[in-house]
Amino acid sequence: AQSVAQPEDQVNVAEGNPLTVKCTYSVSGNPYLFWYVQYPNRGLQFLLKYITGDNLVKGSYGFEAEFNKSQTSFHLKKPSALVSDSALYFCAVRGGSNDYKLSFGAGTTVTVRA
Amino acid sequence: DADVTQTPRNRITKTGKRIMLECSQTKGHDRMYWYRQDPGLGLRLIYYSFDVKDINKGEISDGYSVSRQAQAKFSLSLESAIPNQTALYFCATSTYSNQPQHFGDGTRLSIL
Repeated sequence: AQSVAQPEDQVNVAEGNPLTVKCTYSVSGNPYLFWYVQYPNRGLQFLLKYITGDNLVKGSYGFEAEFNKSQTSFHLKKPSALVSDSALYFCAVRGGSNDYKLSFGAGTTVTVRA
Repeated sequence: DADVTQTPRNRITKTGKRIMLECSQTKGHDRMYWYRQDPGLGLRLIYYSFDVKDINKGEISDGYSVSRQAQAKFSLSLESAIPNQTALYFCATSTYSNQPQHFGDGTRLSIL
């Protein structure tokens, strides 16, 4: 079975500081990895994905994520956080042999203080 | 206009009632999904459809049914609503499995 763990329910950072949201996964075969962000009263918005290739993936709004196969991790990062980055972040994974099921982590609430 | 539209956005109803949530999309995607979101649990897949004639159960399909009326429309029904089905429901669409899913803004459903 595939699964995703986001070990931190909440992450709090000051504006201008680096932001990291952690994600580890478990799948059979090669993973397809995604990060989504959810703002209040809105659906999930796609930030970035890793399918294959370079382990460092760049996405929307200045976010990036690093795929680490040996540690089965896909942490989301932003060098300089903004107050507007405050939201709920979800990591998701699909196994390479699984064509339909996207498994989501429980989510991490990010609060960026001015 | 939104690419994935869910109606209604909010619904309060009573135990035992039949409820239908609707989803329509203008993205031209073949694949559509229904999820529910509960605090601390992330999103869980209820049903998914790869085309009009292909509908499949997800991990939590009990108590739910779906209908894919057209490529662009996918509705979710609760035949006899119960309080533990109170949740935020999302519809999503996608093309291939290595492409991201696109989500509607959700339906907040409360069952009293």
